[in-house]
Amino acid sequence: QLQLQESGPGLVKPSETLSLTCTVSGASISSSSFYWGWIRQPPGKGLEWIGGIYYGGNSYCNPSLKSRVTLSVDPSKNQFSMNLSSVTAADTAVYYCARHAPGDGYNSFDYWGQGTLVTVSS
Amino acid sequence: EIVLTQSPVTLSLSPGDRATLSCRASQSVSPYLAWYQQRPGQPPRLLIYGASNRATGIPARFSGSGSGTDFTLTISSLEPEDFAVYYCQLRSSWPPRFTFGPGTKVDIK
Repeated sequence: QLQLQESGPGLVKPSETLSLTCTVSGASISSSSFYWGWIRQPPGKGLEWIGGIYYGGNSYCNPSLKSRVTLSVDPSKNQFSMNLSSVTAADTAVYYCARHAPGDGYNSFDYWGQGTLVTVSS
Repeated sequence: EIVLTQSPVTLSLSPGDRATLSCRASQSVSPYLAWYQQRPGQPPRLLIYGASNRATGIPARFSGSGSGTDFTLTISSLEPEDFAVYYCQLRSSWPPRFTFGPGTKVDIK
């Protein structure tokens, strides 16, 4: 059974960098069949795609966040990560990691982590 | 940039009722449309992909349809656990971009 688990600090100061890691169990992150993504949800609001990455390193990001987002993969730890720089209160959200559904041509997200709340505050 | 609009914002129904949720794209799109259910405190759950294909383990009371700019999620007979927020989501072809609609809340009348 595939499982994803986000980890990282729950509180980040304004202007600093938010760093999160997603640990994958039940599948190898290095499989050529999988793409991995990040989605966030501000409290009480809707979902926003942040970006996605293939184990080989190709990544794609939301244009509205592109200049601040860095995505990476660590096959040795079966993890993938995201950094979001220069955060403001508007970046306060629950951050989810997810798998792009291979059975759907990677057009949707079939497995999700439980999410981690990150608050940006001094 | 494609924008997704969902209607209604809130749908107040009773268990056993039929629910019809709409998702409209700002321009004609390929059928890479998905639907998700999100219960409070839970991550989204994939219900429908490719506009009309049920994801693994999804009950038959959930169905999706549509093409072009108009898509529909239908729940044929609401169960108590179906009262939740539903999101549609689209992938643009290239470069890949993923857009979510604002959501429809199905609550108990």
